[in-house]
Amino acid sequence: AQKITQTQPGMFVQEKEAVTLDCTYDTSDQSYGLFWYKQPSSGEMIFLIYQGSYDEQNATEGRYSLNFQKARKSANLVISASQLGDSAMYFCAMREHLNQAGTALIFGKGTTLSVSS
Amino acid sequence: DSGVTQTPKHLITATGQRVTLRCSPRSGDLSVYWYQQSLDQGLQFLIQYYNGEERAKGNILERFSAQQFPDLHSELNLSSLELGDSALYFCASSETGPRETQYFGPGTRLLVL
Repeated sequence: AQKITQTQPGMFVQEKEAVTLDCTYDTSDQSYGLFWYKQPSSGEMIFLIYQGSYDEQNATEGRYSLNFQKARKSANLVISASQLGDSAMYFCAMREHLNQAGTALIFGKGTTLSVSS
Repeated sequence: DSGVTQTPKHLITATGQRVTLRCSPRSGDLSVYWYQQSLDQGLQFLIQYYNGEERAKGNILERFSAQQFPDLHSELNLSSLELGDSALYFCASSETGPRETQYFGPGTRLLVL
């Protein structure tokens, strides 16, 4: 079965510093997609970044980048120049094919990021 | 704003009752997914619909059911509610394509007393 592991329950960073949130995954599929979502205290789930297993380049979206190491099965999220508004829970997720037509996201347990001034 | 809408935002009800959660996907998205987020179970996939048809089932209890209507909105019905059903219920929708990025609605926070 596919699995996502986020080993950091909490991370602390100062404003303007970069931070890396770890994510490792386990799958036997050759083709898969990895996602990161942000959940602020208000509760909504905000899509941040996507990495496909066949993408040759690491994904980037503004201050977010994904450090994708396929051989190590890791997909770490890097947030550059942290801002106070980045304080939130961050979830790593992988798309799972449940049958010929169905898909779902499986999520890690999340990492709480706290940014201080 | 993801473009996915969910109503109601909050719901308080009693054990044994039945509730209906509603979701409207982003314009053009044919797939709708339902997830449950609780403190002990984390984020769990419940069910997926695509253009009105059920596509995949996850850890959805028999007391729960869902459907997707011709206008593509979806409803999640929760019946014989128990205290443990208290959770944040998310609807998400995705485009058809290689990424199938799921965009989440704001969620419905259900409290069963």
